[in-house]
Amino acid sequence: QKEVEQDPGPLSVPEGAIVSLNCTYSNSAFQYFMWYRQYSRKGPELLMYTYSSGNKEDGRFTAQVDKSSKYISLFIRDSQPSDSATYLCAGYGNNRLAFGKGNQVVVIP
Amino acid sequence: DAGITQSPRHKVTETGTPVTLRCHQTENHRYMYWYRQDPGHGLRLIHYSYGVKDTDKGEVSDGYSVSRSKTEDFLLTLESATSSQTSVYFCAISAGTTRGTEAFFGQGTRLTVV
Repeated sequence: QKEVEQDPGPLSVPEGAIVSLNCTYSNSAFQYFMWYRQYSRKGPELLMYTYSSGNKEDGRFTAQVDKSSKYISLFIRDSQPSDSATYLCAGYGNNRLAFGKGNQVVVIP
Repeated sequence: DAGITQSPRHKVTETGTPVTLRCHQTENHRYMYWYRQDPGHGLRLIHYSYGVKDTDKGEVSDGYSVSRSKTEDFLLTLESATSSQTSVYFCAISAGTTRGTEAFFGQGTRLTVV
């Protein structure tokens, strides 16, 4: 079982819609949870990170972590074509940084 | 951008030959990681380092070895390249502070084994 599970299905939404992405994790040692964004042929870049359970908001992006259910979420409000990318969730603990498979998001103008 | 450089950026090699990929950082970060990224598999951890000469295996370490003799350099070696090791390889660095971890990625090395 992978430490971080993310349904890799692509997601297409119209501009202005809310994008909702989810992951689950199995490693109880994970304390930090991150969302990375990756554009085609580029390395991933950190979008948001959250320590333990709770919500974190940064502009149009909201990250949620529920440690009781081992569930990680990312919401993108008022989505823009520039948000079209692959989004990867990740967990960190005990020196290990593990990623989900990523979701390709396409925002249609 | 974080000071992290991968070399080479592209490489084509023959089955059975050894290959070494280099990751160089100028951030003095303690943690360094090697990942491979393949369609349908996402990013998978190969090996990581938590200090000079301190390394550990990730989930797909078979056929790979690493070395870190200096803080700034983390080398990944494919001991005898196989076609299944055709992939995009990413190096990442992290300070790993108690505040959290912000991993910075290199631009990737596209390796083709023929």
